[in-house]
Amino acid sequence: DTEVTQTPKHLVMGMTNKKSLKCEQHMGHRAMYWYKQKAKKPPELMFVYSYEKLSINESVPSRFSPECPNSSLLNLHLHALQPEDSALYLCASSQVWAGGATNEKLFFGSGTQLSVL
Amino acid sequence: EDQVTQSPEALRLQEGESSSLNCSYTVSGLRGLFWYRQDPGKGPEFLFTLYSAGEEKEKERLKATLTKKESFLHITAPKPEDSATYLCAVQGANAGGTSYGKLTFGQGTILTVHP
Repeated sequence: DTEVTQTPKHLVMGMTNKKSLKCEQHMGHRAMYWYKQKAKKPPELMFVYSYEKLSINESVPSRFSPECPNSSLLNLHLHALQPEDSALYLCASSQVWAGGATNEKLFFGSGTQLSVL
Repeated sequence: EDQVTQSPEALRLQEGESSSLNCSYTVSGLRGLFWYRQDPGKGPEFLFTLYSAGEEKEKERLKATLTKKESFLHITAPKPEDSATYLCAVQGANAGGTSYGKLTFGQGTILTVHP
């Protein structure tokens, strides 16, 4: 199984709502990532988890709250989002997070298309 | 700071018309250069990793090459199903904590292949 599964595929939420995005992989990878991608732009890194611990937070606003309950699951909790947060949210995984010591191929999920009204 | 520039921004080809996509990069200590394919509304799909200048990799109609400053993705006799956005990304060494090995993506090349 070389898949990263994300749910839901589409999400519409109001600015006062609380919602969560979910990501799952069963490749035994110990690094998991959240990326944000706006239309016609490249993916932007948000968070990196390594061995279930938060390793990198790219100065993401606190209205985005990541969680890694175990080595296979990654969640992104959303609260009080703004319309400019509308984007495709991508989860990815790799064997490890090496922090630049070596290269790591990322496996991406299909993403959650989020619209904030 | 690592930088990646892809050209052209968009490329329209007729089926069977071969061409190349360019990825120019500057990076502190290249750990890997990656090519991904992304279909609309989907996540990027891994194509190739290149590690050192002179390296080449092939997959079906695609061939990726690497020099010290550029990478090319050559598409031979493309088909309509090759239409997608092609993303180039570099992973640099942790140079003083400025990049800590994260991927730096280019803006992508939108490829359209007409039948």
